[in-house]
Amino acid sequence: GAVVSQHPSWVICKSGTSVKIECRSLDFQATTMFWYRQFPKQSLMLMATSNEGSKATYEQGVEKDKFLINHASLTLSTLTVTSAHPEDSSFYICSAFRGVVGETQYFGPGTRLLVL
Amino acid sequence: DAKTTQPPSMDCAEGRAANLPCNHSTISGNEYVYWYRQIHSQGPQYIIHGLKNNETNEMASLIITEDRKSSTLILPHATLRDTAVYYCIVSRLPGYSSASKIIFGSGTRLSIRP
Repeated sequence: GAVVSQHPSWVICKSGTSVKIECRSLDFQATTMFWYRQFPKQSLMLMATSNEGSKATYEQGVEKDKFLINHASLTLSTLTVTSAHPEDSSFYICSAFRGVVGETQYFGPGTRLLVL
Repeated sequence: DAKTTQPPSMDCAEGRAANLPCNHSTISGNEYVYWYRQIHSQGPQYIIHGLKNNETNEMASLIITEDRKSSTLILPHATLRDTAVYYCIVSRLPGYSSASKIIFGSGTRLSIRP
């Protein structure tokens, strides 16, 4: 159990377009979801924390108007990269917490974004 | 969140035990030590966590010093599939309705040689 999926697994888009990435908890309801970004040969960087039905909390330096996060249900969070540019090319990873005390977060497989 | 210090890289022979150290000298009393690993181009995978007692599961063992300022992750019989970046993280235990943020450091790149 505790499987998290992401769709798409990879995407290529033109500069200036918007890209939506989905994060789903397949067999549990997630009270909290997190979004990370990882550049080549670097560690994961937390972008934002998302709670179902409320606005996401963004980390310092992350543009909330650039990276739109929607957490409309307990099993789905979406990250939209608006007006993507080549510097937004990265590996985007989500994680989900199912609200069990003491249990860790479960990570998705990641989405690789390439902006041309 | 407390910071951790790990060696940037290590290698280990296949079949031998891999011992990955982590320093967390500023850990506070309510923070746990977590270990994750990330195989190339995949999402992180949870390995183990502990507070102050040693822990063991099917994947690994976690040894935490008595003063809790450092810990060691032990993979008892390393295989080629254990090649990954291993992250040591300190964080509060997740509560009922909220999860603590996980802040990743640089990790240790473990290479298993045949």
